[in-house]
Amino acid sequence: DQQVKQNSPSLSVQEGRISILNCDYTNSMFDYFLWYKKYPAEGPTFLISISSIKDKNEDGRFTVFLNKSAKHLSLHIVPSQPGDSAVYFCAASAPTSGTYKYIFGTGTRLKVLA
Amino acid sequence: NAGVTQTPKFRVLKTGQSMTLLCAQDMNHEYMYWYRQDPGMGLRLIHYSVGEGTTAKGEVPDGYNVSRLKKQNFLLGLESAAPSQTSVYFCASSLSGAAQYFGPGTRLTVT
Repeated sequence: DQQVKQNSPSLSVQEGRISILNCDYTNSMFDYFLWYKKYPAEGPTFLISISSIKDKNEDGRFTVFLNKSAKHLSLHIVPSQPGDSAVYFCAASAPTSGTYKYIFGTGTRLKVLA
Repeated sequence: NAGVTQTPKFRVLKTGQSMTLLCAQDMNHEYMYWYRQDPGMGLRLIHYSVGEGTTAKGEVPDGYNVSRLKKQNFLLGLESAAPSQTSVYFCASSLSGAAQYFGPGTRLTVT
């Protein structure tokens, strides 16, 4: 049973427009969420995080929104650039002793068209 | 500052062979992790460590062992490789356990 779901395997967006990537989760105990970007043949790169005590976090062109009642988070990229073309993973963690243990979604491949 | 490095980048093993993957980080991070990524799936946590000399099981630990003898290194061992262990393996490290920083990955094929 997938606890973190990214239901759109791929997304195409025109350069300069907004990209919205979505992520749904089932475990109400999750309280910390991350987004990663991954280029081919490279490791994932940390983008942005959000704690469950917030509903929005912004970093430059990237904003993450969290809707706890819907168990949904989204990543907005504005404006989208060709260099943003990559696979995006969301990840969620519940409170545990020791460290964060993340459950990852399956990823959404974003293609930004010039 | 190299960040997180992984050795080797590629490896082909025969069923039953053993090998060790090395992860090294130069950021003085306490926490280190091993993940595997398979087609159509997200990254899954194999083992992790919250400090030198400590290790713990993640989501998919069977068939793997780990050691963290030095703070900067985290080793992942396969004692008897199986085709089901064909995957891309990623190591990550973290200062606080929140944001994790990944290495470039090791692509392992078991025939």
